[in-house]
Amino acid sequence: KAGVTQTPRYLIKTRGQQVTLSCSPISGHRSVSWYQQTPGQGLQFLFEYFSETQRNKGNFPGRFSGRQFSNSRSEMNVSTLELGDSALYLCASRESAVNTEAFFGQGTRLTVV
Amino acid sequence: AQTVTQSQPEMSVQEAETVTLSCTYDTSESDYYLFWYKQPPSRQMILVIRQEAYKQQNATENRFSVNFQKAAKSFSLKISDSQLGDAAMYFCASFTDKLIFGTGTRLQVFP
Repeated sequence: KAGVTQTPRYLIKTRGQQVTLSCSPISGHRSVSWYQQTPGQGLQFLFEYFSETQRNKGNFPGRFSGRQFSNSRSEMNVSTLELGDSALYLCASRESAVNTEAFFGQGTRLTVV
Repeated sequence: AQTVTQSQPEMSVQEAETVTLSCTYDTSESDYYLFWYKQPPSRQMILVIRQEAYKQQNATENRFSVNFQKAAKSFSLKISDSQLGDAAMYFCASFTDKLIFGTGTRLQVFP
């Protein structure tokens, strides 16, 4: 089985632009969660999608949004980028909402200049 | 609210020796899970070991074992027979409805 795939791996954007990151979960997994990892704040939960519905949301501004498609693939969008949005964005998939074992992708490294 | 605390920013161990990484947590939930994840330089988070809070028996996975003290809300990871490939960041995490991570411990392994 293929693992969790995140694209692109690296991204450089300018302040004020918007960006879309993609995550393809393990086949058969219906839950996708997103995390932001920075040296200062560590790993922080952004949101979780299950069966195309947002189940849970972290404490991030509305500039951060996401969605999930019927094939469980998920996208995360950040609008009006700020320098502080530079981070590693990790996606994790779980088989179901009750299965606790999360499998992570390799992340997308976003740099905002 | 859930919180996870790792008080050791860095640890080091000699190859073949044993090292213990500390973690404490806090949650008001009675049903929760605890995890240790490893993050090597490749940045991919790899699940090392999982503990269900309702289970009294400590989880073991090959050279990795935990010491789960529920009353003390402590969840330490013991790595036996350390190998060079164990060098990485190790994150402790708790799960109720989402994963909450500690700040991590950087483990160095010396030959």
